[in-house]
Amino acid sequence: EVQLLESGGGLVQPGGSLRLSCGASGFTFYSYMMSWVRQVPGKGLEWVASISGSADLTYYAESVKGRFTISRDNSKNTVFLQMDSLRAEDTALYYCAKVRRFFEWGQGTQVTVSS
Amino acid sequence: AIQMTQSPSSLSASVGDTVSITCRASQTVRSDLGWYQQKPGKAPKVLIYASSTLQGGVPSRFSGSGSATDFTLTISSLEPEDFATYYCLQDHDFPYTFGQGTKLE
Repeated sequence: EVQLLESGGGLVQPGGSLRLSCGASGFTFYSYMMSWVRQVPGKGLEWVASISGSADLTYYAESVKGRFTISRDNSKNTVFLQMDSLRAEDTALYYCAKVRRFFEWGQGTQVTVSS
Repeated sequence: AIQMTQSPSSLSASVGDTVSITCRASQTVRSDLGWYQQKPGKAPKVLIYASSTLQGGVPSRFSGSGSATDFTLTISSLEPEDFATYYCLQDHDFPYTFGQGTKLE
């Protein structure tokens, strides 16, 4: 059974940093693209970033490019999202997803950016 | 970036009804279009991928069609558990983009 468990969310001041982690199990982690998607409570879904299985390719939404960095450790079946220069508009529930033809989602971790 | 225009934004229906939700892409996404269902407080769940392929375990009352720029999700004979929010997602090209969502109530 596929399991994705996000962690690392919390309350941070504007301009601050957070590092999200997503631990994966139940599939051959290194062979899957992994992504982060966020959702403001009560609003729609926004794709944030993706990373290829071998970590040689990364992709970002314009809204986070230059501030967020996606990475992975295939030896630990974990994908990360380093979030720097955080803004109030980054406040959202952040989902980790396994991607091959479709997204399979974790349960999310809440990030709140507020002073 | 490819823009996905989903309609309607909300839909009122009753158990037993058949409903359709559409997504239009601003440029071709071939068949790289998925449909996701989200219930309150839960993560989205895939229903359909590659425009028309039903994910395993998803009831056959859900169906998808379309290609290039126009796509439709049809739910036949609505069941009580189908009242949720639905999103389309194009995974043809980065940045991946979602439709705005359709709340079925």
